[in-house]
Amino acid sequence: AQSVSQHNHHVILSEAASLELGCNYSYGGTVNLFWYVQYPGQHLQLLLKYFSGDPLVKGIKGFEAEFIKSKFSFNLRKPSVQWSDTAEYFCAVIGNTDKLIFGTGTRLQVFP
Amino acid sequence: EPEVTQTPSHQVTQMGQEVILRCVPISNHLYFYWYRQILGQKVEFLVSFYNNEISEKSEIFDDQFSVERPDGSNFTLKIRSTKLEDSAMYFCASSEGQLAGGYNEQFFGPGTRLTVL
Repeated sequence: AQSVSQHNHHVILSEAASLELGCNYSYGGTVNLFWYVQYPGQHLQLLLKYFSGDPLVKGIKGFEAEFIKSKFSFNLRKPSVQWSDTAEYFCAVIGNTDKLIFGTGTRLQVFP
Repeated sequence: EPEVTQTPSHQVTQMGQEVILRCVPISNHLYFYWYRQILGQKVEFLVSFYNNEISEKSEIFDDQFSVERPDGSNFTLKIRSTKLEDSAMYFCASSEGQLAGGYNEQFFGPGTRLTVL
């Protein structure tokens, strides 16, 4: 069965710090990988997605993620966070059907 | 920018009552989904819907749940007899469907918070 693990449940950073959020998935076939973000009081929005090709994908707002097939990982990174990045971040995978399988989410708090 | 809308934003009901959660997907989308998130837990897939029928459903989506696209614009989730454990945030999503290289982005609505007392 497909599953997604996000090991960081709550991350607290100061502005300008670098960010890396871990995501590991479990699925033996071809996967589509996503990072969604939920800002306070708003709905889930897509940050970036990986289907195939270059394993380093760039998303909105300066975020990027790297797909490492050998590690079943799709970690999210940002070199310098801002206060406005405070949100909950969800990693998700699609395998052989179009249902999204989500991780438990990581709450990011950025202090000015 | 087109968006998925959901009503109501918050629904409070008594155990055993029927509730209908409503969603208006993005107009040119063909694939529709319901997910839910129990407080403190992960977002879970409930059901996918395409061409006026269910494509896939999870174990959560038992006989108490049903979905319908009654009029070509709305997409509803009905829970016939609510239980305490149905209390959750319910998210509707829609997408254009599958691309040559993978699956298209699913656009999510703001959610309906269902509280069963």
